[in-house]
Amino acid sequence: DAKTTQPPSMDCAEGRAANLPCNHSTISGNEYVYWYRQIHSQGPQYIIHGLKNNETNEMASLIITEDRKSSTLILPHATLRDTAVYYCIVRVVIPIGQNFVFGPGTRLSVLP
Amino acid sequence: DAGVIQSPRHEVTEMGQEVTLRCKPISGHDYLFWYRQTMMRGLELLIYFNNNVPIDDSGMPEDRFSAKMPNASFSTLKIQPSEPRDSAVYFCASSPGRGEILTEQFFGPGTRLTVL
Repeated sequence: DAKTTQPPSMDCAEGRAANLPCNHSTISGNEYVYWYRQIHSQGPQYIIHGLKNNETNEMASLIITEDRKSSTLILPHATLRDTAVYYCIVRVVIPIGQNFVFGPGTRLSVLP
Repeated sequence: DAGVIQSPRHEVTEMGQEVTLRCKPISGHDYLFWYRQTMMRGLELLIYFNNNVPIDDSGMPEDRFSAKMPNASFSTLKIQPSEPRDSAVYFCASSPGRGEILTEQFFGPGTRLTVL
């Protein structure tokens, strides 16, 4: 699976949009981009995923560049509860097992 | 539903001892996953089961680790003998198996294991 690069930490003001970047320059054509987050001491939570097109759900939007070498997770109106570590993972859908590894991620701090 | 239940929440043991971590998945979920999280390696998938059958254990680090799922409501992860480098938070997760498995995982609170 392709490796990803994320900034180690970011700050965002409460109520503003949080834009979290992820570089995945070696992504293959059949690999999806997944985003998860982990709030302190809890298990990871799925946020969103996509292949080529931009995606939006009730939690966030995912913007994938045309060459698919990078993506941005957007939390449109960040709240204090969005403070967490955000993980970008690039992988095929199946098989599930090997290389489903969460890297260090980006620690997002939402400030009041 | 109480969610995924793990026990114990904290475990401190000495090197060489056997450690057993327990997990009760959400009722009706067909998939169960065991993960390990450390500062050095991040969160790794160790093994997962489908309908009580182990499907992929390629993430299990070595033979000292074993996992079982004797029935749909219970799973164990055993480390024998334990070593200090096994110190980590171990998460169990379950999934209903509808649609895409990776997007519908429900995690337990984790077990923090410290091996002295």
